Amino acid sequence: GAGVSQSPSNKVTEKGKDVELRCDPISGHTALYWYRQSLGQGLEFLIYFQGNSAPDKSGLPSDRFSAERTGGSVSTLTIQRTQQEDSAVYLCASSLERVIGGNSPLHFGNGTRLTVT
Amino acid sequence: AQSVTQLDSHVSVSEGTPVLLRCNYSSSYSPSLFWYVQHPNKGLQLLLKYTSAATLVKGINGFEAEFKKSETSFHLTKPSAHMSDAAEYFCVVSDYGGSQGNLIFGKGTKLSVKP
Repeated sequence: GAGVSQSPSNKVTEKGKDVELRCDPISGHTALYWYRQSLGQGLEFLIYFQGNSAPDKSGLPSDRFSAERTGGSVSTLTIQRTQQEDSAVYLCASSLERVIGGNSPLHFGNGTRLTVT
Repeated sequence: AQSVTQLDSHVSVSEGTPVLLRCNYSSSYSPSLFWYVQHPNKGLQLLLKYTSAATLVKGINGFEAEFKKSETSFHLTKPSAHMSDAAEYFCVVSDYGGSQGNLIFGKGTKLSVKP
């Protein structure tokens, strides 16, 4: 079956513009995660959804970042008034349920590479 | 709180020689531990996981890892490196406390394989 799909795969935008990144999780996966991966850095947690609700938004770096998930499926990550430091690869992952006890590993998409000029 | 430390940011080996990628963790609970691999321009893929069953865990592509509670370690090994193993590897601990959506990622170890 299809894996986690992210679009666009690459996005170049001018500083100050808004961008929307999309994630299509694996069908039936209730948990959805967004991470940011900057050059030479590890994965930075942004937000976690269980169904349509986001019990953990602790990783969003500023109020310019927001995310939503509708119908328990597709999620969009929106960055308003982009800054150069927002340039990174944004990774989405889904799992059958919240990852407890290792029974529901994460399935990652290939990411969206965002470049802010 | 849980945490995970990957001791080497970069490891370089020759093809055919053993691979050792080190990971130490701290956890107040019996942790679940994972290794993920990321090839260039790709998402992360699960290599193997430890979930309190056998302490020696076998994964894909000939990799394995041993959970050592006394040393709080979960090092990743492979007897003989292949060129296709060149990638970045992440050690991950499951956080039962609820922060970060349950997973704490290490900063990654980049593995280079020389011919």
